[in-house]
Amino acid sequence: GQQLNQSPQSMFIQEGEDVSMNCTSSSIFNTWLWYKQDPGEGPVLLIALYKAGELTSNGRLTAQFGITRKDSFLNISASIPSDVGIYFCAGQGKETSGSRLTFGEGTQLTVNP
Amino acid sequence: DTGVSQNPRHKITKRGQNVTFRCDPISEHNRLYWYRQTLGQGPEFLTYFQNEAQLEKSRLLSDRFSAERPKGSFSTLEIQRTEQGDSAMYLCASSQGTRSYEQYFGPGTRLTVT
Repeated sequence: GQQLNQSPQSMFIQEGEDVSMNCTSSSIFNTWLWYKQDPGEGPVLLIALYKAGELTSNGRLTAQFGITRKDSFLNISASIPSDVGIYFCAGQGKETSGSRLTFGEGTQLTVNP
Repeated sequence: DTGVSQNPRHKITKRGQNVTFRCDPISEHNRLYWYRQTLGQGPEFLTYFQNEAQLEKSRLLSDRFSAERPKGSFSTLEIQRTEQGDSAMYLCASSQGTRSYEQYFGPGTRLTVT
């Protein structure tokens, strides 16, 4: 089946630094989404991307839908302690039907004050 | 709060018992999804409903699992004869048909099978 590979698996940064993480697939995806999950809670939708090359911002977050449709990037600028959590990419691929999303394994972000 | 709600938040059960979880989606959303998440992994799709119709089921959904959405509003997920491998977070999400990929998740039900 389709798989999404996220990197890095974990990041330790200082407050105020910018962060970049990415997600790749061996097959084409039609939609990319980024979620953030806090411990013991469900994922929270951050950004949705629908077109190749699309660049979308949500506050300090910016995400891009790769031109090849096989990758996506999420950037966080000027990180703050509440950015701590696990960030998941998710997508709906050409090879899957309906509305099912495929999730990556997540990037654990730690922000030191 | 008009987000997705799930009950119970935590469930501890003994192996072999049956458990049932409930999900109440965002009220105007016609699609409802169930996912399972184990520690250190992303959510994995189990099944989804459009209104009351169950349209897709994953191979992960063994015959011990059954989901219903009888009136197209809330949904239940039942696991019969639970096994230790069923221990996981069970997440429910909902979406509106026109933007169905923008799925909004509930807080999840953490199941522990002892």
